[in-house]
Amino acid sequence: EDKVVQSPLSLVVHEGDTVTLNCSYEVTNFRSLLWYKQEKKAPTFLFMLTSSGIEKKSGRLSSILDKKELSSILNITATQTGDSAIYLCAVESDSGYALNFGKGTSLLVTP
Amino acid sequence: SQTIHQWPATLVQPVGSPLSLECTVEGTSNPNLYWYRQAAGRGLQLLFYSVGIGQISSEVPQNLSASRPQDRQFILSSKKLLLSDSGFYLCAWTRGTANTEAFFGQGTRLTVV
Repeated sequence: EDKVVQSPLSLVVHEGDTVTLNCSYEVTNFRSLLWYKQEKKAPTFLFMLTSSGIEKKSGRLSSILDKKELSSILNITATQTGDSAIYLCAVESDSGYALNFGKGTSLLVTP
Repeated sequence: SQTIHQWPATLVQPVGSPLSLECTVEGTSNPNLYWYRQAAGRGLQLLFYSVGIGQISSEVPQNLSASRPQDRQFILSSKKLLLSDSGFYLCAWTRGTANTEAFFGQGTRLTVV
């Protein structure tokens, strides 16, 4: 059975801190790993990673995939209160049509 | 551009009552459609997905059902709600090809009382 595990489950940091969120997976025939940010309602897409070792970057957010270790990290530098959200990791594989989500990391950035 | 509409945004229903949540997608054709449920403090659990009209696959046995009467319409239903059906329901679509992200509706917060 495919599995996606995120850590930590929750995190509280101060504005300006740098955070690293982790996602590990066990899936058959991996295709891609995706990161989403969920603030109140709909998760919004952040990154899609398919190749190992290639960093995707958007402003203060960046992510990288390690296919050997079956994991990915999401980094947020100089955190702001607006970064407070649930960050979801999802994996796409050949075994099904849908994305398999982890439980998410709840991030709270305090002023 | 593509958009996804999901309604209602919130719903309070008594135990034993029926349920109908609707989701429509605009700006694309032949999307794959999905219903997810998110319980408090948990990730997204896939309930149903559909790769075409009338084609529904269920991931979790339960008292919910789904239907796809039109290419861009996906409906989640129940004949009799249980307390355990409370949660946040999200509709999503993908292009149905590999390596494509899912786009989500705004969700329905369902409280069964």
